Amino acid sequence: AQTVTQSQPEMSVQEAETVTLSCTYDTSENNYYLFWYKQPPSRQMILVIRQEAYKQQNATENRFSVNFQKAAKSFSLKISDSQLGDTAMYFCAASPNDYKLSFGAGTTVTVRA
Amino acid sequence: KAGVTQTPRYLIKTRGQQVTLSCSPISGHRSVSWYQQTPGQGLQFLFEYFSETQRNKGNFPGRFSGRQFSNSRSEMNVSTLELGDSALYLCASSLADRAHSPLHFGNGTRLTVT
Repeated sequence: AQTVTQSQPEMSVQEAETVTLSCTYDTSENNYYLFWYKQPPSRQMILVIRQEAYKQQNATENRFSVNFQKAAKSFSLKISDSQLGDTAMYFCAASPNDYKLSFGAGTTVTVRA
Repeated sequence: KAGVTQTPRYLIKTRGQQVTLSCSPISGHRSVSWYQQTPGQGLQFLFEYFSETQRNKGNFPGRFSGRQFSNSRSEMNVSTLELGDSALYLCASSLADRAHSPLHFGNGTRLTVT
């Protein structure tokens, strides 16, 4: 079983600046996957970035990058050059496979113009 | 390619009734998962289907059930509705043809139980 903790309920950032969302997790699995999903007001969950735990290299996806610290069980998301369209709820998730995800409580990110 | 389609988008039901939600996965996707999202409990895994078989189930009572058809479309049923079943129900599909296939979510069905 996995548990995921997001300790920041809300974050606010000025447009074009950088914001970092924190996430810690606990798992008994030897191999697992970590995800960040974005949920805008449209309600659709959109995959932002995905990390396989056995890979040392931090995943990046355009303006989104992660800092994966396996020993510390930490998986933070950095959004660079924030845009108004980044305003959404962001969920961190962990899974031993790709379909049974355990989600954190979410962080609401507001990008200010 | 069309995304994951969930119908209906909104539903209002009365306590004690039953409800069926539908999910059409992305073409070619064989795995369908269901999640419940509430303000209090967050996002919780309900179950996952692959090739018409339930492969995994979350910690929900037996009132929650599902099935998958041969065309990979899936339905979720909740019987004897309770007020606490009010939630956004999200369906997600994936290829599931290799070790890691990311989930693609639909827009969800908002269920309100009165």
